[in-house]
This record gives sequence, C-alpha cells and structure tokens, in this order.
Amino acid sequence: QQQVKQSPQSLIVQKGGISIINCAYENTAFDYFPWYQQFPGKGPALLIAIRPDVSEKKEGRFTISFNKSAKQFSLHIMDSQPGDSATYFCAASKGNFNKFYFGSGTKLNVKP
Amino acid sequence: NAGVTQTPKFQVLKTGQSMTLQCAQDMNHEYMSWYRQDPGMGLRLIHYSVGAGITDQGEVPNGYNVSRSTTEDFPLRLLSAAPSQTSVYFCASSMTQETQYFGPGTRLLVL
Repeated sequence: QQQVKQSPQSLIVQKGGISIINCAYENTAFDYFPWYQQFPGKGPALLIAIRPDVSEKKEGRFTISFNKSAKQFSLHIMDSQPGDSATYFCAASKGNFNKFYFGSGTKLNVKP
Repeated sequence: NAGVTQTPKFQVLKTGQSMTLQCAQDMNHEYMSWYRQDPGMGLRLIHYSVGAGITDQGEVPNGYNVSRSTTEDFPLRLLSAAPSQTSVYFCASSMTQETQYFGPGTRLLVL
C-alpha cells in the first residue's frame, strides 16, 4: 500500500505557465513533506519542504501548498522554464530520520 | 567535499550471483539510507542506518543486507541476485531529517 500518492504521472506545460503537482497521504503522523527534483541520470535533489504547522511555503518560483485537513500537499512552479523539465517526487516522513516514503513521481516537460 | 559517492555506476549480474554496492559520504552524516527506484514506483526504502553499528529495515528489505562499521561507509549486499532486483539503486545521507543528499546511483541489471 503506497503511503504517498502522487499525480499526475506526466505533465506538459508551456514556457511561462504554471506547473502543479499533487500529493496525498494517509498517515497523520507524518510531520515533514519534502519535494525532490531529479534530472535524467542523476540522483534526486531536495527542492523545497514544508512542515504541517504552515499552509504555504515559497522559495523563488516554487511554492508548496499544504492542506492538513485534506491530507494533501502540492507543488506549484510559477513561470515554468524548459530548465525545470525533470521528474519531481513528493515524500513524507514521521520523525524517524531517513524513513521517507516517496510518491511515484511526475515527469514534467516544459515546452519552449 | 565529494558528497555521496556510489560504485559501480553500472553492473550486470547473472541470477544467483552476489555483489556489494558501495556507498560512501564525506560529510560526517549520521544517517544513511539505500533506496531502489523503479519506473512508476518512485523510490522505496530498502535499509537505513542512524549511526555506525545501527541499521534497520525499510519497506523492501528482502534479498538485501547492510552493515555500518564506519560513519562514512554503508555498503548494500545482494545475497543471491534475482531479475526482480533489476533497478537503479540510490544511497543517501543526512545529518538531520530535513535534507537528504543522494548519490548518483548504481544501475543494476540482473539476467
């Protein structure tokens, strides 16, 4: 049973558009929700993360929206650029270091 | 700082063979993990360690062994390789819950 469900599997966005990726979780004990970005042939790299005591976190063009009651969180990429084309993973953990549960990934293609 | 290094980059095994995937980090991180990445399934935790001498199982530990004799190294052993273990393997390390640093991965093909 997948602990974190991610959608969509793939996403095509025009340059300058907004990319939105959604994740949902069941375990209310999760207390840390990171997003990772992965380019082909590379390992994932931390992009942005949020804890459930805030509803939104913004870093540059990247924003996480968090809905604790719905047990959902999403990544918004504003003014999407071709260089943002990558696979994005959401994840969740519950205080135990390194016990992370990942979503299935979203392959984003930003067309010029 | 080399960060997290993994060797080999690519390996082909025959069913039943054993091998060790190497992982090392030079950031003095206490926490290290092994994940496998399969298409459509994201990353799944195999084993993790919270310090030298301490390891524990993740989501998919069967067929894999780990040990952590030093802070720097966290090798993953495949005891008897099976085609179902064909995957890309990532090692990660962190000092806190908040930032995991991933290695470049090892692509394993089991025939």
